Amino acid sequence: EVQLVQSGAEVRKPGESLKISCQGSGYTFDNYWIAWVRQTPGRGLEWMGTIYPGDSDARFSTPFQGQVIMSADMSITTAFLQWSSLKASDSAMYFCARRSKVAVAGAYDFWGQGTLVTVSS
Amino acid sequence: QSALTQPASVSGSPGQSITISCTGTTSDVGGYDYVSWYQQYPGSVPKLMIYDVDNRPSGVSHRFSASKSGNTASLTISGLQADDEADYFCCSYTSSGTCVFGTGTKVTVL
Repeated sequence: EVQLVQSGAEVRKPGESLKISCQGSGYTFDNYWIAWVRQTPGRGLEWMGTIYPGDSDARFSTPFQGQVIMSADMSITTAFLQWSSLKASDSAMYFCARRSKVAVAGAYDFWGQGTLVTVSS
Repeated sequence: QSALTQPASVSGSPGQSITISCTGTTSDVGGYDYVSWYQQYPGSVPKLMIYDVDNRPSGVSHRFSASKSGNTASLTISGLQADDEADYFCCSYTSSGTCVFGTGTKVTVL
């Protein structure tokens, strides 16, 4: 059974760093792109970027370029999303999602349960 | 990359059909046949309902269908049921090699 399991909720202060994770199981982790998606009540779903664990090739949506780092560790079948200096506006639910190979492009068939990030002083 | 435009809400009575639109540009929806649709219940995880414009993943009801014309993609739910009440998001591949989501539509079953 394919599963993506994300790390738990986090509370940080503005300016602090954070790294959240997404562990895949039940499939060949390094062969599928993993995307990160942000969700807030005001902005809905936002596609942040994607990483291919096999070679760590990463693509970012313009608003998130330079704002976050994506990485992956194949040995533990885990993808990571990290911030070096959080802002209050980074408060959101973050999902990881696996890109489907049945689709030609841009469809995500399995999702993590989400990690709620709260940034508040 | 601006979010794709969806109506904020669509409603219908049980048994009726409703259609949700998703409008983009020639750099996303209009340029590629790579539009997907997701259903999300409050507090839950998005579920893939349609991929590559009009393809249903295994297990998705045939009551869900989709199409595309020009820069606008559409999702139709026929035979509306109470458990179709959810938020729906479209997503398109873009010329930048990224993806962009729609603004989301809340479907209400009257």
